[in-house]
Amino acid sequence: AQSVTQLGSHVSVSEGALVLLRCNYSSSVPPYLFWYVQYPNQGLQLLLKYTSAATLVKGINGFEAEFKKSETSFHLTKPSAHMSDAAEYFCAVSGGGSNYKLTFGKGTLLTVNP
Amino acid sequence: GAVVSQHPSRVICKSGTSVKIECRSLDFQATTMFWYRQFPKQSLMLMATSNEGSKATYEQGVEKDKFLINHASLTLSTLTVTSAHPEDSSFYICSAAPGLAVPGELFFGEGSRLTVL
Repeated sequence: AQSVTQLGSHVSVSEGALVLLRCNYSSSVPPYLFWYVQYPNQGLQLLLKYTSAATLVKGINGFEAEFKKSETSFHLTKPSAHMSDAAEYFCAVSGGGSNYKLTFGKGTLLTVNP
Repeated sequence: GAVVSQHPSRVICKSGTSVKIECRSLDFQATTMFWYRQFPKQSLMLMATSNEGSKATYEQGVEKDKFLINHASLTLSTLTVTSAHPEDSSFYICSAAPGLAVPGELFFGEGSRLTVL
């Protein structure tokens, strides 16, 4: 069984400030981990993914995430927030192998203040 | 990246009618597609896994007779909400993955917002 916990349903930062969105996972098998972003009334877009290669993963739009097995975490960061980063962010885990099913966290709404 | 398209993006219907939502993979073949439901300000709930040429696999608690899924070709899956009621109003999102994608790396449609009056 797999699960994802996103700490903080809402994070608010100032433009130019560090963005940190927290994600902890639980998985009985080596996980594949993902961060997806959703803009209002749209589907989801992949930001980045961890697939057991490098533990520090770089994604689109300047985001990156670090896989820490000892902490079962996969937190998403961006050094400097931009207004266009305001969106809902979902952390997700899949079981690897041929299992394409994703388990999503509840999401974190990021607001960026001018 | 791979493109998945949903249609319609918005639909309003009367209670008791049926609504069909289409999900197409535009530039790849998808033997498996997934249908999700999202309530306002909540996460995505997997409803079913759509398999080309065979019956869909529904998640626990999802009524298969209410939400009919057909995956008749490698590029098209449809979700039909039958005898819709106001409680079926929601944002429905489909996703699919190219064959060589990382398991869990999905491409999502734009979503379809259903409002049942």
